[in-house]
Amino acid sequence: EAGVAQSPRYKIIEKRQSVAFWCNPISGHATLYWYQQILGQGPKLLIQFQNNGVVDDSQLPKDRFSAERLKGVDSTLKIQPAKLEDSAVYLCASSRVAGAYEQYFGPGTRLTVT
Amino acid sequence: LAKTTQPISMDSYEGQEVNITCSHNNIATNDYITWYQQFPSQGPRFIIQGYKTKVTNEVASLFIPADRKSSTLSLPRVSLSDTAVYYCLVGEGWTDKLIFGTGTRLQVFP
Repeated sequence: EAGVAQSPRYKIIEKRQSVAFWCNPISGHATLYWYQQILGQGPKLLIQFQNNGVVDDSQLPKDRFSAERLKGVDSTLKIQPAKLEDSAVYLCASSRVAGAYEQYFGPGTRLTVT
Repeated sequence: LAKTTQPISMDSYEGQEVNITCSHNNIATNDYITWYQQFPSQGPRFIIQGYKTKVTNEVASLFIPADRKSSTLSLPRVSLSDTAVYYCLVGEGWTDKLIFGTGTRLQVFP
């Protein structure tokens, strides 16, 4: 089966600019996650969707980050405006079942904010 | 959020068994414990998951004591290609938020 797809793979922007990341999960996976991974740290969950509904967005900086999963398939994560501390790898993952179960990760998008 | 801690790094030689422990004092009652392997510039890759006692698959074993406040990933006979960062993932008690461990960098030497 095809894996989780993400684009772009790399993005460089200046602070205060906006950026969007796209994720296509594995077919049939109802749960979709966006994680932020800062260099040298473990991934941090930003938002979790179950189909097209939000399950957990408690760690999403909502003043600048937004995410949507229209039609319960693809998802987009947006940052507007970006700050220097947003430089990180943004990982998308999907799973059949929600929770600390087997998740499949995409390759990530490496964002550099200058 | 409660912290899920792991040793920062471990060294081993090819052919040895490696055990990596994750401490999660405040784990959600009904959630599994999952372990992942991550290579540079790649997303984490699922290794194994379990709820209690012992689970074994073709690449690893997972030991979980009765109180579930820790878990140990066991890699039998490691090879150079097992050099990577290993993370545990748990659901936090009270909130059931998903939390990755701090990560253990395993270096395997020939």
